[in-house]
Amino acid sequence: QVQLVQSGPELKNPGASVNISCKASGYTFISHAMSWVRQAPGQGLEWMGWINTNDGHPTYARGFTGRFVFSLDTSVSTAYLQINSLRPEDTGLYFCARANIISKVRGIVVWFDPWGQGTLVTVSP
Amino acid sequence: QSVLTQPPSVSAAPGQKVAISCSGSSSNIGDNYVFWYQHLPGSAPRLLIYEDNKRPSGIPDRFSGSKSHTSATLAITGLQTGDEADYYCETWDGTLTAAVFGGGTKLTVL
Repeated sequence: QVQLVQSGPELKNPGASVNISCKASGYTFISHAMSWVRQAPGQGLEWMGWINTNDGHPTYARGFTGRFVFSLDTSVSTAYLQINSLRPEDTGLYFCARANIISKVRGIVVWFDPWGQGTLVTVSP
Repeated sequence: QSVLTQPPSVSAAPGQKVAISCSGSSSNIGDNYVFWYQHLPGSAPRLLIYEDNKRPSGIPDRFSGSKSHTSATLAITGLQTGDEADYYCETWDGTLTAAVFGGGTKLTVL
């Protein structure tokens, strides 16, 4: 079945970097973009952007530019999220999710299915 | 502050019905399909409703979606304790050029 499996929890000091992996199986990896979604403690879901798995081109949502890096290794059907210069406010649960995108006459339709199980990132001295 | 507005919580007794609202604007819900997700703590979020009112295979018909103008509603009938979860609406916002989520609604089955 279509499945996304993420790497385990991370505990990092402020200023460090973290790299989260998301391994896809059950479908052709390059057929769908991969999105990342954050859930801060006690908060809702926040779309971080996505990466085109065909050409590796990333699109970052507002608030996720600069320190956040999306990348791929298509040889192992895996997407990565790297966060640099970690801050305590980066603490949260990070999900990868396969992006399903349909073009309309005006704009696009986007939904996320399936999702990874989430990776907890804790930034604390 | 989320672009889409949901009530923080709803509750009802087992067997009852509950409705969760999702309010947006002409640049998002008013111009695009709405999707609903169920998120049980410790699990991956799951797609519950797509394109306003369609259910993926495996989703019981107790779950239904509707939309009118710039608002959408998720209805759950025959509530079960296993339905206790956070529910999120989502759509694409053409002005922000971003996927936007509601703030989430915690469902408690009393």
